[in-house]
Amino acid sequence: GENVEQHPSTLSVQEGDSAVIKCTYSDSASNYFPWYKQELGKRPQLIIDIRSNVGEKKDQRIAVTLNKTAKHFSLHITETQPEDSAVYFCAASNNAGNMLTFGGGTRLMVKP
Amino acid sequence: DSGVTQTPKHLITATGQRVTLRCSPRSGDLSVYWYQQSLDQGLQFLIQYYNGEERAKGNILERFSAQQFPDLHSELNLSSLELGDSALYFCASSVVYTGTEAFFGQGTRLTVV
Repeated sequence: GENVEQHPSTLSVQEGDSAVIKCTYSDSASNYFPWYKQELGKRPQLIIDIRSNVGEKKDQRIAVTLNKTAKHFSLHITETQPEDSAVYFCAASNNAGNMLTFGGGTRLMVKP
Repeated sequence: DSGVTQTPKHLITATGQRVTLRCSPRSGDLSVYWYQQSLDQGLQFLIQYYNGEERAKGNILERFSAQQFPDLHSELNLSSLELGDSALYFCASSVVYTGTEAFFGQGTRLTVV
């Protein structure tokens, strides 16, 4: 089955700096890669996703890049703000019916 | 509000007991997923249903079982509960069984004492 690894497990940045979270996946058939943000005690919420026919996608301060050959994808947050502090999860799935497999999560702390 | 409803929000029960967690997916979503999140841990996939049928199974204990009913709501049954089963249990739903956004419910926090 699919295995998703996520790094780093914790990340502390100064407000205004950029943050990068990286994930690798094992199943070459995976073609859908969402990122979820989970605030303390709340449900995970989708912030951005990318499909394998696209190399990069951007939404305001958030961008995701995908390297299919290397089987890794990354989340980039620019101009970080304290409200970006949360746990971020990457995930992968494919069209063959496999479930959404999550990485272990990254706790992002943005210091004012 | 994601449109996915989970009940109850909180549940406190004793070891050895059995509980049932309920999930109503978003209107139109055919797929339901169950995840377990222990304190400071990631999202561990338990089981997935699509249109009433089991689609995928993760590291779900034999003491746990689930089903999806004809009206598409799902129930997760946890029996012979142990202290280690204390966790946040999330249900998520999506239109199809994979490759599309999964919407999460607010979760049920289970505490076993």
